[in-house]
Amino acid sequence: AQSVTQLGSHVSVSEGALVLLRCNYSSSVPPYLFWYVQYPNQGLQLLLKYTTGATLVKGINGFEAEFKKSETSFHLTKPSAHMSDAAEYFCAVSDNNNDMRFGAGTRLTVKP
Amino acid sequence: EAGVAQSPRYKIIEKRQSVAFWCNPISGHATLYWYQQILGQGPKLLIQFQNNGVVDDSQLPKDRFSAERLKGVDSTLKIQPAKLEDSAVYLCASSQPPRGRNTEAFFGQGTRLTVV
Repeated sequence: AQSVTQLGSHVSVSEGALVLLRCNYSSSVPPYLFWYVQYPNQGLQLLLKYTTGATLVKGINGFEAEFKKSETSFHLTKPSAHMSDAAEYFCAVSDNNNDMRFGAGTRLTVKP
Repeated sequence: EAGVAQSPRYKIIEKRQSVAFWCNPISGHATLYWYQQILGQGPKLLIQFQNNGVVDDSQLPKDRFSAERLKGVDSTLKIQPAKLEDSAVYLCASSQPPRGRNTEAFFGQGTRLTVV
């Protein structure tokens, strides 16, 4: 079955700094990849997704991610962090049967 | 468009008691998921339905957990008897992938279960 590894359970950046959250996946079939964000006491909200086509995917709130097959990675970036970006971020992988598996999550803290 | 509805939002029970959660997916969504999210961890898939059939329940502790999706719409997840380690947020999600493709899941706000 497919799986996801998120490197770093906690990332802290200063406001205005680059955000980089790492995600590596394992899949026996071409993967579908997702990043979700979770604010306290809320459900998961989709940030962006990769299915086919362009490997650089742009999402909401200025986030983007690049699918690199050779590195089995799908890292999430944002050029300039904002205080409102503080949340838990989850990378997920899905196969042809829509069997969606999540990583352990990375908590992003943004310092003023 | 209404989102995924879950109830209750919070539940506190004693160990060995039983509990049930309810989920109403987005209208027309054929795929429904139940996830368990323990504090500090990512969501773990418990069961996936396609219409009213089970696609994957390999991680469902079947000795105490059960789920059903009668008529392929609403779903209930039951725990009987509950253990302390079942304390978690139970998330319901739904999706409607176009034919031959994949798409994202839409999540409800979850039910926070505390077993004491």
